[in-house]
Amino acid sequence: SAVISQKPSRDICQRGTSLTIQCQVDSQVTMMFWYRQQPGQSLTLIATANQGSEATYESGFVIDKFPISRPNLTFSTLTVSNMSPEDSSIYLCSVEEGGGTEAFFGQGTRLTVV
Amino acid sequence: KNEVEQSPQNLTAQEGEFITINCSYSVGISALHWLQQHPGGGIVSLFMLSSGKKKHGRLIATINIQEKHSSLHITASHPRDSAVYICAVRAGDKLIFGTGTRLQVFP
Repeated sequence: SAVISQKPSRDICQRGTSLTIQCQVDSQVTMMFWYRQQPGQSLTLIATANQGSEATYESGFVIDKFPISRPNLTFSTLTVSNMSPEDSSIYLCSVEEGGGTEAFFGQGTRLTVV
Repeated sequence: KNEVEQSPQNLTAQEGEFITINCSYSVGISALHWLQQHPGGGIVSLFMLSSGKKKHGRLIATINIQEKHSSLHITASHPRDSAVYICAVRAGDKLIFGTGTRLQVFP
């Protein structure tokens, strides 16, 4: 099973600033997924990150706001740019194995924007 | 209406009680996951089901494909079971998540 190390685990940020979240996987994976979980809500997929190509964003999410890097098969970053209090959420990275039969998640980043 | 609905939203129990959390979905799926989310936000996968029933320790998960319904049971609940339990279904190449059931087990 994949082990994902995500950091930071939490942060409090000033509005207008940016935060970069990192995810390191202990094995090579083709796709990494970034999710947002707003307070009291379910997880929503932000984008899918493939190594060597641009990330694929879901409806309602744009690259300028959530730029993603995927420099190799074990690492990805998500940046939350020009933050506002509405960006206060838990952000999670995830990978899948076995053709999607197993899903693994990072520890989450609890972001508070003040 | 959400594509994945969980009930109840909140659940409190005394240690030792038998607990059931339900998940209903309205889309065609290839698999269903039960996940556990701890207060820090991290998520652990408990089960992946495509049919029937699975058991792991005190946890049992069942799925009825025809009725589009799954249940997660916890036998002999313990305070360390306190967490948010999330149902997620695989529809096509996407995972669709329920909003979770917050469980608190008191000693």
